Amino acid sequence: DADVTQTPRNRITKTGKRIMLECSQTKGHDRMYWYRQDPGLGLRLIYYSFDVKDINKGEISDGYSVSRQAQAKFSLSLESAIPNQTALYFCATSDHRGLAGEVDTQYFGPGTRLTVL
Amino acid sequence: LAKTTQPISMDSYEGQEVNITCSHNNIATNDYITWYQQFPSQGPRFIIQGYKTKVTNEVASLFIPADRKSSTLSLPRVSLSDTAVYYCLVVINNAGNMLTFGGGTRLMVKP
Repeated sequence: DADVTQTPRNRITKTGKRIMLECSQTKGHDRMYWYRQDPGLGLRLIYYSFDVKDINKGEISDGYSVSRQAQAKFSLSLESAIPNQTALYFCATSDHRGLAGEVDTQYFGPGTRLTVL
Repeated sequence: LAKTTQPISMDSYEGQEVNITCSHNNIATNDYITWYQQFPSQGPRFIIQGYKTKVTNEVASLFIPADRKSSTLSLPRVSLSDTAVYYCLVVINNAGNMLTFGGGTRLMVKP
């Protein structure tokens, strides 16, 4: 979805380096998420944020940190990258409108392919 | 969170109807069923969601029996561009609405 952008789209780095992945959205959504996907597997949740002052750990937060600088921006950092963090990283947003009988629809960015050598 | 089980892969031909069944035996009262589609190297995209009986939109239909222990995503008259991975997810309808992805079903549509 073009309303959710991620930078960079591809990144190759070395073990021990600090890496930041950026996510921006123009959908006006309050909720933002970071996932990683390993080859042939589904997505796993790293961190999520329901508003600017809210940060929550997901299923696999170890080795990662996040920053919600503004409603539209949610950054993921790898403080000291290691090879098993090589994966495809997705940012997503959702808008909890509180409609009866519905769960949030998440809108995903195009992904960042990260390789740690 | 309710665990889902779906076929690892399916093959079909253009123009056929494809039905992908998902099992979720321990679904809870407040859980919803939602399906996402993912093309290679792209983020997942929402297809459809439902709670019970039948839901239809411009892309697919979702059939949920009364016991809600399974659901079937139906794609009418598939084309080559429907080749993708399809994820069945059970989502608790609360403030969290977290998505837990399994391995999905890899659908291959052949000419």
